Amino acid sequence: RKEVEQDPGPFNVPEGATVAFNCTYSNSASQSFFWYRQDCRKEPKLLMSVYSSGNEDGRFTAQLNRASQYISLLIRDSKLSDSATYLCVVNSGDMRFGAGTRLTVKP
Amino acid sequence: EADIYQTPRYLVIGTGKKITLECSQTMGHDKMYWYQQDPGMELHLIHYSYGVNSTEKGDLSSESTVSRIRTEHFPLTLESARPSHTSQYLCASGETGTYFFGSGTQLSVL
Repeated sequence: RKEVEQDPGPFNVPEGATVAFNCTYSNSASQSFFWYRQDCRKEPKLLMSVYSSGNEDGRFTAQLNRASQYISLLIRDSKLSDSATYLCVVNSGDMRFGAGTRLTVKP
Repeated sequence: EADIYQTPRYLVIGTGKKITLECSQTMGHDKMYWYQQDPGMELHLIHYSYGVNSTEKGDLSSESTVSRIRTEHFPLTLESARPSHTSQYLCASGETGTYFFGSGTQLSVL
């Protein structure tokens, strides 16, 4: 079993849709959690950290459920520019990356 | 913008050649990492370092080697390149859970 597992995707949604990505992790001692975004043929970049109380950054909301070892990312009112691969990342001493979920937002 | 640089950006080379991919960061990070990524596929950790003179192999078996003589520099070397090494190589550094990635080196071995 992989240490970090994500929805396989791809997700193809129309502009303005709300889309949610899920991620589970296996190491209960994991300390911190993140969502990264990777555009095609580019390097990954930090999108947002995920806090136990949940956090929001504009149209993006991240949630963490430690008991279920589950992380989510919600994107509201999706834009064409949101098209990318979203990587769930778990810090268990080392940073462990999920395989990513590809999102395509269409006009 | 992150201060982490990789060179070359693209490299096309023949089988059997020795190559070194360069990675440098000016953020003073102790932790540095090398990942391999094929198009549309996940990142695979191939090497990491927690500081000067510290290097470890990652999850993915790799025929490459690394060195860490200076904090800011973490080069990756392939002694004899093969077509199976064709891939994108991404270098990262970071502290307290936030990574910064270089722009990557796209390696093609003919």
